[in-house]
Amino acid sequence: AQSVTQPDIHITVSEGASLELRCNYSYGATPYLFWYVQSPGQGLQLLLKYFSGDTLVQGIKGFEAEFKRSQSSFNLRKPSVHWSDAAEYFCAVGSSGGYQKVTFGTGTKLQVIP
Amino acid sequence: GAVVSQHPSWVICKSGTSVKIECRSLDFQATTMFWYRQFPKQSLMLMATSNEGSKATYEQGVEKDKFLINHASLTLSTLTVTSAHPEDSSFYICSARDPAGGPGEQFFGPGTRLTVL
Repeated sequence: AQSVTQPDIHITVSEGASLELRCNYSYGATPYLFWYVQSPGQGLQLLLKYFSGDTLVQGIKGFEAEFKRSQSSFNLRKPSVHWSDAAEYFCAVGSSGGYQKVTFGTGTKLQVIP
Repeated sequence: GAVVSQHPSWVICKSGTSVKIECRSLDFQATTMFWYRQFPKQSLMLMATSNEGSKATYEQGVEKDKFLINHASLTLSTLTVTSAHPEDSSFYICSARDPAGGPGEQFFGPGTRLTVL
């Protein structure tokens, strides 16, 4: 069965500092990987996705993520965080078969301080 | 991009009543939609997969008689919480697969906050 681990429940960074959110996945085949962001009381917005090809993926809002098969990781990065980036971030892995269900990690809450 | 709407955005009901939540794909046809439940400060838990024209597939532990799902058309899926109780209070989010999108890619609605008194 597929699974996702986000080891950091809560991260605090200063505005302008760099950010890295960790994500490790477990999946038997080549995974489909996603990062979503959720603001309080809102649905999820897709930041970026990896299906195949270049292992460094660019997303919206200046985010990027790197797929590392050897480490089963898909960490999210941003070089300079803005106060508006404060939100909950979810890493997810999708299956290629059946209804292509997606399994979410437990999320990392990002706090940005001035 | 693909847009998914949910209605209502929030609802308060009395214990024992039923509540219907609608999920619509606005600019694409979705043969598959998903219903999730999210408890405060927790991740999304998949409740069921909704398929147009057929019965929904429920995840283990989800009561299919309590959470009725109907995927009546390629743009509409509904979740009915029957005989709601306070423990059903939660944030319910739907998503839809756009066949033109990448594998596994889902587009999410804004969610519905259900409070059962």
